[in-house]
Amino acid sequence: AQKVTQAQTEISVVEKEDVTLDCVYETRDTTYYLFWYKQPPSGELVFLIRRNSFDEQNEISGRYSWNFQKSTSSFNFTITASQVVDSAVYFCALSTGANSKLTFGKGITLSVRP
Amino acid sequence: NAGVTQTPKFQVLKTGQSMTLQCAQDMNHEYMSWYRQDPGMGLRLIHYSVGAGITDQGEVPNGYNVSRSTTEDFPLRLLSAAPSQTSVYFCASSNTGGGLANYGYTFGSGTRLTVV
Repeated sequence: AQKVTQAQTEISVVEKEDVTLDCVYETRDTTYYLFWYKQPPSGELVFLIRRNSFDEQNEISGRYSWNFQKSTSSFNFTITASQVVDSAVYFCALSTGANSKLTFGKGITLSVRP
Repeated sequence: NAGVTQTPKFQVLKTGQSMTLQCAQDMNHEYMSWYRQDPGMGLRLIHYSVGAGITDQGEVPNGYNVSRSTTEDFPLRLLSAAPSQTSVYFCASSNTGGGLANYGYTFGSGTRLTVV
């Protein structure tokens, strides 16, 4: 069985603050893939990143960065200098590979205030 | 544009009515799936398919049927709608033949269903 836990449910920050969204996963498979999705108020799911279990290298994309630590089964997402447009629900998800189920966490609602 | 197309975008049903949510993809993806999204629950898997003629249950399959007669289409049927099925439904497909470098999921834009 696989599980994704996003313990934070709602986070509110003021614009330009940094914010970290936590994700903890569980799986017995040694090969797996972790994803982050953004769901803005318009409702669509926007893919942000995929990381496979063999690549623990952290990744930075503009104001976004991801910290993958297998030792703690965590894949945390940091937004630097947050902006109002970052307000959304963010989902962490786990898959054990092609043709396998994608399991989502319950999501974190991020509100960025001007 | 290539992608996952869901219809309708909005639907209101009366309790006991039946309907089919349509999902079609034109990317030749083998894997397709249906999720429902409810407040505070994230996205939960209803049914999935790893290819034409093959379907299986996900986490919350009760009240829903699926079939996969073609690679492109994966309709979700509600045989007798209940208020508990009020939700936002997402269809997703996954590329399995493009190699791990291209592995990912493409989501439709969602169907907002209200059962009264």
